[in-house]
Amino acid sequence: AQSVTQPDIHITVSEGASLELRCNYSYGATPYLFWYVQSPGQGLQLLLKYFSGDTLVQGIKGFEAEFKRSQSSFNLRKPSVHWSDAAEYFCAVGPASGTYKYIFGTGTRLKVLA
Amino acid sequence: GAGVSQTPSNKVTEKGKYVELRCDPISGHTALYWYRQSLGQGPEFLIYFQGTGAADDSGLPNDRFFAVRPEGSVSTLKIQRTERGDSAVYLCASSLSGLETQYFGPGTRLLVL
Repeated sequence: AQSVTQPDIHITVSEGASLELRCNYSYGATPYLFWYVQSPGQGLQLLLKYFSGDTLVQGIKGFEAEFKRSQSSFNLRKPSVHWSDAAEYFCAVGPASGTYKYIFGTGTRLKVLA
Repeated sequence: GAGVSQTPSNKVTEKGKYVELRCDPISGHTALYWYRQSLGQGPEFLIYFQGTGAADDSGLPNDRFFAVRPEGSVSTLKIQRTERGDSAVYLCASSLSGLETQYFGPGTRLLVL
């Protein structure tokens, strides 16, 4: 069965520091992978997605993610974090063949120190 | 243009009551999803519509939950005999098709007392 694990519930970084949020997935074939951000009072917004091709994916707001099949990972990175990046980040996978079901991780809450 | 809208933004009801939650997708989007997000969790898939039909309702937790999309645009999620465990944020998303980017609404926060 599909699953997504985000091992870090909370992460705190200083403004200007680099960021890496971890995501591991379990999927029967080549997965479709996504990262979303959810700010307080805001809806979920897609940061980036991977369907196929280049394993390094560029997204909005300066984020990127790298698909590593051997590690079943799709970690999100940003070289320099801004205070406005404080939010909750969700990794998602799907849909499984024959379904339209997307599976989300439990999220990582990012705190940015000034 | 307008994004996905959901009404009401908040709903408080009593255990055993019936509630309806509405989703207005982006115009022209044929795909529509409902998710439920409990506190401290990620969104949990409930149901997917392609046009008017529910193409995948495998996420509906039980037969108290039902959703419709009669004209292929607005959708209503209906919950009968609400239970306290139904308290959550109910999210709606729409996309051009099933594999395109999903655009999420702000959600309806449901509290069952």
